[in-house]
Amino acid sequence: QKEVEQDPGPLSVPEGAIVSLNCTYSNSAFQYFMWYRQYSRKGPELLMYTYSSGNKEDGRFTAQVDKSSKYISLFIRDSQPSDSATYLCAMSAQGAQKLVFGQGTRLTINP
Amino acid sequence: NAGVMQNPRHLVRRRGQEARLRCSPMKGHSHVYWYRQLPEEGLKFMVYLQKENIIDESGMPKERFSAEFPKEGPSILRIQQVVRGDSAAYFCASSGTNAKNIQYFGAGTRLSVL
Repeated sequence: QKEVEQDPGPLSVPEGAIVSLNCTYSNSAFQYFMWYRQYSRKGPELLMYTYSSGNKEDGRFTAQVDKSSKYISLFIRDSQPSDSATYLCAMSAQGAQKLVFGQGTRLTINP
Repeated sequence: NAGVMQNPRHLVRRRGQEARLRCSPMKGHSHVYWYRQLPEEGLKFMVYLQKENIIDESGMPKERFSAEFPKEGPSILRIQQVVRGDSAAYFCASSGTNAKNIQYFGAGTRLSVL
């Protein structure tokens, strides 16, 4: 079993829809949770960063962490074609700097 | 550009040759991480370095791979005697001392082994 599970998709939604992306994990030591966006043949771009449980909002993006369920989510409101990319969840434990990534979900927003 | 700089962007090697990948961290960052991304897979941690020190190399293959981050100059990921299975995208990330878990990535080096 992988430490971090993420549905690879692909996920295709119409422009303006609310997108929900999710990851589950098995390591209860994970305390730091990140979402990265990666365009084709580019490097990952940090979108959201959350420590421990709770919600965090930044513009059209909301990150949620439920440590009791070992489940994290990224919501994208008013999705735009420019949001089409692969979204990677990543997490790390306290005191351990290496990030453990999910496989990534390929998202397409259709105009 | 104050971001993480990687070069070359693309590297082609024949089997048995050496590959050298370079990474300059973001300005003000002293922690460097290397990750490998195989086709259709997520990123896998390889090694974490600070200046002149390897902190965690738990993700590095035991043979042919080495990394350094000298006092002066960029971090280097070196792959000796490359094989076809080494073909992948190699990403470098950096972080500051006070927020090591917040890592910013470079554009990557795409290595193709013929």
